[in-house]
Amino acid sequence: GESVGLHLPTLSVQEGDNSIINCAYSNSASDYFIWYKQESGKGPQFIIDIRSNMDKRQGQRVTVLLNKTVKHLSLQIAATQPGDSAVYFCAARTAAGNMLTFGGGTRLMVKP
Amino acid sequence: DSGVTQTPKHLITATGQRVTLRCSPRSGDLSVYWYQQSLDQGLQFLIQYYNGEERAKGNILERFSAQQFPDLHSELNLSSLELGDSALYFCASSARAYGYTFGSGTRLTVV
Repeated sequence: GESVGLHLPTLSVQEGDNSIINCAYSNSASDYFIWYKQESGKGPQFIIDIRSNMDKRQGQRVTVLLNKTVKHLSLQIAATQPGDSAVYFCAARTAAGNMLTFGGGTRLMVKP
Repeated sequence: DSGVTQTPKHLITATGQRVTLRCSPRSGDLSVYWYQQSLDQGLQFLIQYYNGEERAKGNILERFSAQQFPDLHSELNLSSLELGDSALYFCASSARAYGYTFGSGTRLTVV
């Protein structure tokens, strides 16, 4: 089955620096990926998504990179702000299943 | 407001009891997904409904069941509750193949 994992459980960065959160997935049939941000006591909030026919997608201050060869994706946050402090989850979906499989989460801590 | 509404927000109940969690999807979304998140854990997929029919099952216990009604709202029923069932329960909805929006969750505490 699908498994999605994150390399680092906690990432601490200085305010203004760039952050990179990594994620590995196991199912090569995964065709769609989403990054979510979750603040304490709240539901996952959509950040950015990418389809498997792309290798890069940019949003406002965020970029997702997808490397299908090694089954790896990353979330880059530019000029990290205190409000970016949260747990970040990657999720992968296979077209057959349609449900999302989530990684374990990375806690991002932004130091002022 | 994500457009996905979950009630109640908090629920405290005793072991052995039964509870029902409710989810109203975003307007127009036909699919509803239920996820469980234990303390400091990731989200575990429980079950999916599409337009009233069960579409996929994940790691859902036999004590748990769900349904989706004609108006597309969904309910997750948890019975014979155990301490280990304490968790956040999230509902998500989607319209088609892309875009999954989550509600703010129901925090269940079993005492």
